[in-house]
Amino acid sequence: DTEVTQTPKHLVMGMTNKKSLKCEQHMGHRAMYWYKQKAKKPPELMFVYSYEKLSINESVPSRFSPECPNSSLLNLHLHALQPEDSALYLCASSQGGRGSGGYDTQYFGPGTRLTVL
Amino acid sequence: AQTVTQSQPEMSVQEAETVTLSCTYDTSENNYYLFWYKQPPSRQMILVIRQEAYKQQNATENRFSVNFQKAAKSFSLKISDSQLGDTAMYFCAFMLLSGGYQKVTFGTGTKLQVIP
Repeated sequence: DTEVTQTPKHLVMGMTNKKSLKCEQHMGHRAMYWYKQKAKKPPELMFVYSYEKLSINESVPSRFSPECPNSSLLNLHLHALQPEDSALYLCASSQGGRGSGGYDTQYFGPGTRLTVL
Repeated sequence: AQTVTQSQPEMSVQEAETVTLSCTYDTSENNYYLFWYKQPPSRQMILVIRQEAYKQQNATENRFSVNFQKAAKSFSLKISDSQLGDTAMYFCAFMLLSGGYQKVTFGTGTKLQVIP
């Protein structure tokens, strides 16, 4: 089973709202990722979690706040977003991060289509 | 920094024919992985094929194969016997370990249309 699930599929929010995106995998993977994908563009890495610890933050604005409560779950908390943050948010997971040898395939979820009004 | 270039924004192929998607990359590293991902209109990114840079033998997965030319930094994808379900955006991706963690750089994508 190489399934990564994401909820919700679609989200519309105002600039003053607080919302969260959720990602879940049950493959025993220890590395999880958030990507942002604008229309007709490639995914861009936002955050990397390895063994539930934030390992990489690609200079993402603080209005995006990631959280990894356990090895299967990854959340992205959203607050005071801007219309330009509207995009497809993709979650991915891979077998391991540091110490695993590293070159593992990333498996992607279907994404959450976010619209900020 | 690594860059990945896909010079064909859009391509089309007749069903059952063969098509090749091109990808070039730029890096000074010697150890890395390369991937082709497929993103159908339903949007889930699916792994098509991967290639370890240290392997000279080209990877194959059923109808999908790559032509990996390390010296030329080229990594093309050949799809044989194209099927309607192959219609999708195809991304070439370069993976490097940075501080022990994966960093993936994607190309801009090639939109492939399979014509019945």
